[in-house]
Amino acid sequence: DTGVSQDPRHKITKRGQNVTFRCDPISEHNRLYWYRQTLGQGPEFLTYFQNEAQLEKSRLLSDRFSAERPKGSFSTLEIQRTEQGDSAMYLCASSSIRGGQGITYNEQFFGPGTRLTVL
Amino acid sequence: KQEVTQIPAALSVPEGENLVLNCSFTDSAIYNLQWFRQDPGKGLTSLLLIQSSQREQTSGRLNASLDKSSGRSTLYIAASQPGDSATYLCAVDRGSTLGRLYFGRGTQLTVWP
Repeated sequence: DTGVSQDPRHKITKRGQNVTFRCDPISEHNRLYWYRQTLGQGPEFLTYFQNEAQLEKSRLLSDRFSAERPKGSFSTLEIQRTEQGDSAMYLCASSSIRGGQGITYNEQFFGPGTRLTVL
Repeated sequence: KQEVTQIPAALSVPEGENLVLNCSFTDSAIYNLQWFRQDPGKGLTSLLLIQSSQREQTSGRLNASLDKSSGRSTLYIAASQPGDSATYLCAVDRGSTLGRLYFGRGTQLTVWP
């Protein structure tokens, strides 16, 4: 188990360019989440997948953002026509629902993040 | 909507002190509460998860308690060390969705020798 990995770790781009980030979850996890974190704030939810299905999207996820998880394994997050306000740390997490007899665990494990700077 | 508040925002203590970090949330219908640690410029490390039917969880020098009915959790750090310096984040889900986590802004802890 190598944990959640993200690529690239850092990305500097010019305003108006498109960027794509990749996340590889823990192999046995069926849930994958994307969050965004700006300086001094806690992470904010963007979207999550259960297997291939995208189950929830935040209102933060404008039309310029799109996420995919083909085949229920890795996921990509693409930002089109980047703006300076998109500068943030993009975090990926994965989990696997477990439990029984009315008890449910959903511990999320995070990757190292991708730091995006839009100039 | 679930809102999470963490107090204090920052804490600076000498090595060896016992600490209490506080977290409160507005919607008590949760499944799970997680405490995380974040070092500057890094991702989040899960410290403890408390399921809603549990009252507390312990891991080494860390103890987290949960009072679901009042919407509160505390993280107790015993015998603090300089290596504990980091930002500690509290996050809860929401019973209606069991998916996304709602985070507080964190408590920035500095432990000096």
